[in-house]
Amino acid sequence: NAGVTQTPKFQVLKTGQSMTLQCAQDMNHEYMSWYRQDPGMGLRLIHYSVGAGITDQGEVPNGYNVSRSTTEDFPLRLLSAAPSQTSVYFCASSYFPLDSGAYEQYFGPGTRLTVT
Amino acid sequence: AQSVAQPEDQVNVAEGNPLTVKCTYSVSGNPYLFWYVQYPNRGLQFLLKYITGDNLVKGSYGFEAEFNKSQTSFHLKKPSALVSDSALYFCAVSPWAAGNKLTFGGGTRVLVKP
Repeated sequence: NAGVTQTPKFQVLKTGQSMTLQCAQDMNHEYMSWYRQDPGMGLRLIHYSVGAGITDQGEVPNGYNVSRSTTEDFPLRLLSAAPSQTSVYFCASSYFPLDSGAYEQYFGPGTRLTVT
Repeated sequence: AQSVAQPEDQVNVAEGNPLTVKCTYSVSGNPYLFWYVQYPNRGLQFLLKYITGDNLVKGSYGFEAEFNKSQTSFHLKKPSALVSDSALYFCAVSPWAAGNKLTFGGGTRVLVKP
């Protein structure tokens, strides 16, 4: 089991460029999510998905798009990069509770993005 | 909307001494509560969670946490800290109906000195 994998590990973009951060998991988890981590602010939820074909916005979705065509993959697209999107991005996955409950999430190693 | 507060940016403790990392939360209804740890240049790792039942939850690496509903707190504890426990610790909350949608605290850096 590779768990949750993310590529690239590091990326530098110029303002206005677009790119896609890749995320894949091999644990057959229904739930996948993207977070950004900024100093002193913890992790903030960008977008999440409860299954293939289903996505929804989190706390800070502006400037980001997602899609989920397969259970395994959940790419995050930056449409037009801005310096405010300089951050460390984490993808996570978990089982999704059918009724009440919550499962621990498995995190990828992160992508460090710098926008100049 | 839910929120999590970790009032200490950093906690310093000598190896072998007890370690406590504080967390308070605000959420509508019953909470799900989690602790995660992040080692340098790594993703977050799950430590423990509170769903329901016993207020004292035991987790990985000798950590435990106590849920206190009246004080809306979920402090992380370890009886005897190790140098290898030095890391960034995050508390997170999810409301009863929201399942996996977590709100994280700002994190507390723990430094255990030999």
